[in-house]
Amino acid sequence: DGGITQSPKYLFRKEGQNVTLSCEQNLNHDAMYWYRQDPGQGLRLIYYSQIVNDFQKGDIAEGYSVSREKKESFPLTVTSAQKNPTAFYLCASSIETNEKLLFGSGTQLSVL
Amino acid sequence: EDQVTQSPEALRLQEGESSSLNCSYTVSGLRGLFWYRQDPGKGPEFLFTLYSAGEEKEKERLKATLTKKESFLHITAPKPEDSATYLCAVFGGYQKVTFGTGTKLQVIP
Repeated sequence: DGGITQSPKYLFRKEGQNVTLSCEQNLNHDAMYWYRQDPGQGLRLIYYSQIVNDFQKGDIAEGYSVSREKKESFPLTVTSAQKNPTAFYLCASSIETNEKLLFGSGTQLSVL
Repeated sequence: EDQVTQSPEALRLQEGESSSLNCSYTVSGLRGLFWYRQDPGKGPEFLFTLYSAGEEKEKERLKATLTKKESFLHITAPKPEDSATYLCAVFGGYQKVTFGTGTKLQVIP
């Protein structure tokens, strides 16, 4: 079955550490996205990519970095510069930019 | 900037008690309005896309409608398995999708 796979489901970060969240899709979608979800807030866009080797900052990109070396993969790195990283991170993809988004199952990141 | 406001924040219904969730929006040139269902600890599940005022879509006990200023998600004779958070989002002229904060629905047997 086609879909979006995020891993790991739970991740813990020590202070000063960079961590990478994985996102893989086998839907042949061109566009991929990373959102952050905090309790009581709407989903906020971190980064998005419309094609391989190209990506744009979203509303809250500071402290995060991404790469898009393959169409299927869009990993997100939470750097030590992100001072409040505890949140639920969601990866999504769509056939074209900002058409219907399909989401992965999410990664819960917590700080030790 | 596009804005999406969902109400109520939380809703508690008895099984079989029909109701509606509201999504009010301000957007520069609506290109689409999306409804999603999200269960705790999971990613949002796509329900509907609405494109123009007057459009309606149905799926089982859910019916989504759209006007120029708001969308409603009507839930008819809900069951406990309909309990979830329902998210509304708009795709507007700023070329981005903006999400509301959601309505948490609890259906009691």
